[in-house]
Amino acid sequence: DAGVIQSPRHEVTEMGQEVTLRCKPISGHNSLFWYRQTMMRGLELLIYFNNNVPIDDSGMPEDRFSAKMPNASFSTLKIQPSEPRDSAVYFCASSNDEQFFGPGTRLTVL
Amino acid sequence: SQQGEEDPQALSIQEGENATMNCSYKTSINNLQWYRQNSGRGLVHLILIRSNEREKHSGRLRVTLDTSKKSSSLLITASRAADTASYFCATGSASKIIFGSGTRLSIRP
Repeated sequence: DAGVIQSPRHEVTEMGQEVTLRCKPISGHNSLFWYRQTMMRGLELLIYFNNNVPIDDSGMPEDRFSAKMPNASFSTLKIQPSEPRDSAVYFCASSNDEQFFGPGTRLTVL
Repeated sequence: SQQGEEDPQALSIQEGENATMNCSYKTSINNLQWYRQNSGRGLVHLILIRSNEREKHSGRLRVTLDTSKKSSSLLITASRAADTASYFCATGSASKIIFGSGTRLSIRP
């Protein structure tokens, strides 16, 4: 298995633009998590899905953030419109028990 | 809000020494996990200990869990330069896993 796959690995965009981050979880895992990591705030859980259903989105910062999981093998995290304070590394993880992390997407909003 | 909190926030030791990191949590859990993160990388799972276990070993790692005190410790024996990283505890319940803020471990040569 290739592990959790995230794309893109790096994204640089201008304030106000829409950003879409993608994640392919490990096949067979029933939970998927989106995290954001910054120096100031550490690792924050944004949202997690169980069997493709969003269970807890209380970590999503505001309405500009949205996440979907249309099927068991794909999830997106969208920021619209993006702001400079959204700059961070965004991790996707999948699990049945222990979590396996993707390599992350480093987002820079100018 | 964070469920687990690691202590200390930062630790610097000499290569070859043992490193001990602690984690405290607030609510009941099904399991507790420790992860390592090298700079600029994703988190890597190290070890999972279930709520009915008190101690677990994996190579140079030893994890203890005290559910009465809601605390866990991670011991890395005979530390190496490659152990330099941030270490996170994550507590699991039936609904989700929540990470602490991490301990930054530095191994001096």
